[in-house]
Amino acid sequence: DVKVTQSSRYLVKRTGEKVFLECVQDMDHENMFWYRQDPGLGLRLIYFSYDVKMKEKGDIPEGYSVSREKKERFSLILESASTNQTSMYLCASNRAGGGHSNQPQHFGDGTRLSIL
Amino acid sequence: AQSVTQPDIHITVSEGASLELRCNYSYGATPYLFWYVQSPGQGLQLLLKYFSGDTLVQGIKGFEAEFKRSQSSFNLRKPSVHWSDAAEYFCAVGGTGRRALTFGSGTRLQVQP
Repeated sequence: DVKVTQSSRYLVKRTGEKVFLECVQDMDHENMFWYRQDPGLGLRLIYFSYDVKMKEKGDIPEGYSVSREKKERFSLILESASTNQTSMYLCASNRAGGGHSNQPQHFGDGTRLSIL
Repeated sequence: AQSVTQPDIHITVSEGASLELRCNYSYGATPYLFWYVQSPGQGLQLLLKYFSGDTLVQGIKGFEAEFKRSQSSFNLRKPSVHWSDAAEYFCAVGGTGRRALTFGSGTRLQVQP
């Protein structure tokens, strides 16, 4: 069974801090994704990666960056955390699917991040 | 651009009653369609998916969904709801040449005893 592990379930940080959210998958998936989930807005894509060191912006990349140095690990970085980044963050992964979005995504349990 | 609309933010049904959750999508070609469920405090779990072929697809936990191209819909159904089905449900659409999915805003299901 695919396992996507997010390093923290809950995280509290202060405004202006640099914040790292880590995600690891164990199924050798090519694609990895970071979403934020807010009530009434569903899941919004922040960034995704389709290969090591490769990344693409999603719908809401402002204020975030990502890093993928190894295939199994995908990190989300909040360069200077702000209160409007308080949210639930979900990581997901899937197979390449030939460059099409036809492979189911497998999700971690999420990190609830609070910025004070 | 692709988009997904889930018109119902919140639905309450009685245990044992039937369920239908609505999903409408916008996409220029044949879509890849998914339904996911999220229990409280957890990530999303895939219920079922549609790529092509038979427009009625069966999923896990007794759920099914029907793809209707003429209505741009992919509604989720279950004949008899159990209390454990209380959760949030998300519809998502993908497509050719695009790696990422677009998710709807979700429908929260409450089940009354």
